[in-house]
Amino acid sequence: DIQMTQSPSSLSASVGDRVTITCRASQSVTTYLNWYQQKSGTAPKLLISAASTLHSGVPSRFSGSGSETDFTLTINSLQPEDFATYFCQQSYSFPRTFGQGTKVEVK
Amino acid sequence: EVQLVESGGGLVQPGGSLRLSCAASGFTFSRFSMNWVRQSPGRGLEWLSSVSSTSRYINYADSVKGRFTISRDNARNLLFLQMNSLRAEDTAVYYCARDLVATVTGEDFFDYWGHGVLVTVSS
Repeated sequence: DIQMTQSPSSLSASVGDRVTITCRASQSVTTYLNWYQQKSGTAPKLLISAASTLHSGVPSRFSGSGSETDFTLTINSLQPEDFATYFCQQSYSFPRTFGQGTKVEVK
Repeated sequence: EVQLVESGGGLVQPGGSLRLSCAASGFTFSRFSMNWVRQSPGRGLEWLSSVSSTSRYINYADSVKGRFTISRDNARNLLFLQMNSLRAEDTAVYYCARDLVATVTGEDFFDYWGHGVLVTVSS
């Protein structure tokens, strides 16, 4: 199975900050890497697919990059509605696996 | 509007069974692969199973293989997860999720999720 490791597990930030979350795969997933946002008590929501493709309706302050084993999710100018938990997920092979999540909290 | 609505959760004793359903609407259900994903505090998000549009291809996580069975009824736009031999560690919120596969690149992702249903395994 491909293990997905996110860092950090949590971070504190302020509105307007630039936030960077990393995701590392235990083996290459090429660009079969997706990012999801989850707010408390709700289902995850797709943000980015294929490492860098912004999903429809997602604000342009979100961006993704990377390939093979190392990926980054960046939020430029953090907004109040961005405080949430973010997960990466590989769709390169079965079983599909998720990172453990990164919680973005108010500083 | 795409909607996925899970049902069938609840409290069940260890060793018991439960059948989850996911009612799909707002899209042509028979054209999409579907998945079950669960989330518990101790185990984060865990993909459990997927079924292709025609049920030809089915995959399971090792943690549920042999105990859970995924199925679908394209005529009624329903996805199912039959869960047998339930254990305390199966306690989680269970989500169904639609699988969108990009035809050119083959990359795929879960573009719509249901609201989730709670399954509690306890005596």
